[in-house]
Amino acid sequence: GAVVSQHPSWVICKSGTSVKIECRSLDFQATTMFWYRQFPKQSLMLMATSNEGSKATYEQGVEKDKFLINHASLTLSTLTVTSAHPEDSSFYICSARRTSDISYEQYFGPGTRLTVT
Amino acid sequence: AQTVTQSQPEMSVQEAETVTLSCTYDTSESDYYLFWYKQPPSRQMILVIRQEAYKQQNATENRFSVNFQKAAKSFSLKISDSQLGDAAMYFCAYPTSGTYKYIFGTGTRLKVLA
Repeated sequence: GAVVSQHPSWVICKSGTSVKIECRSLDFQATTMFWYRQFPKQSLMLMATSNEGSKATYEQGVEKDKFLINHASLTLSTLTVTSAHPEDSSFYICSARRTSDISYEQYFGPGTRLTVT
Repeated sequence: AQTVTQSQPEMSVQEAETVTLSCTYDTSESDYYLFWYKQPPSRQMILVIRQEAYKQQNATENRFSVNFQKAAKSFSLKISDSQLGDAAMYFCAYPTSGTYKYIFGTGTRLKVLA
């Protein structure tokens, strides 16, 4: 149990276009989901915390107008990279916290590789 | 502010040998959890082991165990009988209470030599 999926796993888009990444908890409800960005050979950098039914909380330095997050249901959060540019190319990972879990454990999706040309 | 430090950017271990990855953290909380995650080349984050701070007994999961020293704020991971499949990035993580956000260390790349 506690499986998180991401779609797509890999996407290439042209500069100036927008791309949406989905994060789904497949077998549990997730009130809270997290979005991370990871550069090669580096740690995960938290971008924002997504709470079902409310606005996302963005980390300092993350452009909320560029990285739109919507947590529309207890099993789905989406990250939309708007007007993407080559510097947005990265590996994006989502995670979900099971609503009923007291242990603070996060379950991670497999990640999405975004390449902006 | 809470911080997590992994001071070993890279470690190597011979297959079947034992290796210890270090992690130190800083917090003013008295009750918390700590995690070790593994990220293999596939980049899927995999939970290795979890420790609850109020438990004095060190957590163990098969070949993986921790040495949790609460007073020293140290949380090291020991991998016994290392296998080629253990080669990965290992991240230590501290979840902040209330927000549930993880603070990750910078990671340790483990190489397993055949």
